[in-house]
Amino acid sequence: NAGVMQNPRHLVRRRGQEARLRCSPMKGHSHVYWYRQLPEEGLKFMVYLQKENIIDESGMPKERFSAEFPKEGPSILRIQQVVRGDSAAYFCASSPYAGGNGNTIYFGEGSWLTVV
Amino acid sequence: KNEVEQSPQNLTAQEGEFITINCSYSVGISALHWLQQHPGGGIVSLFMLSSGKKKHGRLIATINIQEKHSSLHITASHPRDSAVYICGLARAGGGADGLTFGKGTHLIIQP
Repeated sequence: NAGVMQNPRHLVRRRGQEARLRCSPMKGHSHVYWYRQLPEEGLKFMVYLQKENIIDESGMPKERFSAEFPKEGPSILRIQQVVRGDSAAYFCASSPYAGGNGNTIYFGEGSWLTVV
Repeated sequence: KNEVEQSPQNLTAQEGEFITINCSYSVGISALHWLQQHPGGGIVSLFMLSSGKKKHGRLIATINIQEKHSSLHITASHPRDSAVYICGLARAGGGADGLTFGKGTHLIIQP
């Protein structure tokens, strides 16, 4: 049973370009979370999705950032017109039930975005 | 005030020492997670606790819900235990929010 798969592991983008980060949850998991880890800071919640639905996006910047989890295929975190401050590690996590409340969450290995 | 406070922020110890990392929080929770992150690497979930104590190999995690405090212990520490250890809270009430994390404890075990 493969774990949470994220790709790309490392991504370099120039300012103004778009970044797309993908996350395939563990088999059988329909709950996906995205977290951001800025340099020298802790993990911060961004968005919680179930299949085809955004449940909670309270941690996601209002502009330039969007997330989806389609019926088929991976969850995608999309950052438009990237700026240097978007440089961070982006972690995806999945769980079989509603998140964190008594259920183990499985993390991917992260996607490191560098904006130059 | 942060909802989750970890201490110490940094810890350097000698191989073989008994290690304790603390996590205090100020909100009601349904579960507490301990995570491990190696330098430049991914995150591994070590424990999920809602009460009492759990043990896995040389790692022990305890939680006191009344005191809003959890500890992660490492017995017979080894250089490969060097990592950042992160405490994460799942809020009570079954909310849809993701976990809220502490800033992590940077542990270095010297041979």
